Amino acid sequence: DGGITQSPKYLFRKEGQNVTLSCEQNLNHDAMYWYRQDPGQGLRLIYYSQIVNDFQKGDIAEGYSVSREKKESFPLTVTSAQKNPTAFYLCASSIGSKEKLFFGSGTQLSVL
Amino acid sequence: SQQGEEDPQALSIQEGENATMNCSYKTSINNLQWYRQNSGRGLVHLILIRSNEREKHSGRLRVTLDTSKKSSSLLITASRAADTASYFCATDTGTASKLTFGTGTRLQVTL
Repeated sequence: DGGITQSPKYLFRKEGQNVTLSCEQNLNHDAMYWYRQDPGQGLRLIYYSQIVNDFQKGDIAEGYSVSREKKESFPLTVTSAQKNPTAFYLCASSIGSKEKLFFGSGTQLSVL
Repeated sequence: SQQGEEDPQALSIQEGENATMNCSYKTSINNLQWYRQNSGRGLVHLILIRSNEREKHSGRLRVTLDTSKKSSSLLITASRAADTASYFCATDTGTASKLTFGTGTRLQVTL
């Protein structure tokens, strides 16, 4: 089945630790996105990539990093510089920019 | 700040009734999209309406767009308990290659 797979579903981070969230898609989409969702605040864009080996900062990129070495994969690293990382993280992809997004099932990140 | 703002924040109706949600935005758009999210899950695309369109239908969904008022509405007719979810509007922000989401409307449909 085609789709987007995020892993893990739940993740816990210790103080000062970097953690990486996985996002893989087999839809052959060029564009991929990472959103953060906090209760009552909707979705906020962290990073997005329109093509392999290229990505742009979104509205809240500080404390996060990404890579896009393969078309299928767009991992997100939450670094120790992100002081409030507890949130629900959603990965999405689309054929082109501004077209409809296909979302993964999300990763809930919590701080120990 | 969010580009899109949904209204109301929460809506509770009985099965069989219609549900209407509104979205207002601030800047000119190329298209506006509506998504649905079940609790703890990813979002699912419902419908996309372009700036030169005024109304669009998909099954029990009807979306309208008024670019002069910078607003859109989503109507769900003959609602079912399975329609219980959060609904978000998303707009493209001009030349930027990204979508901006609103804060969502939580819809509760009771039997």
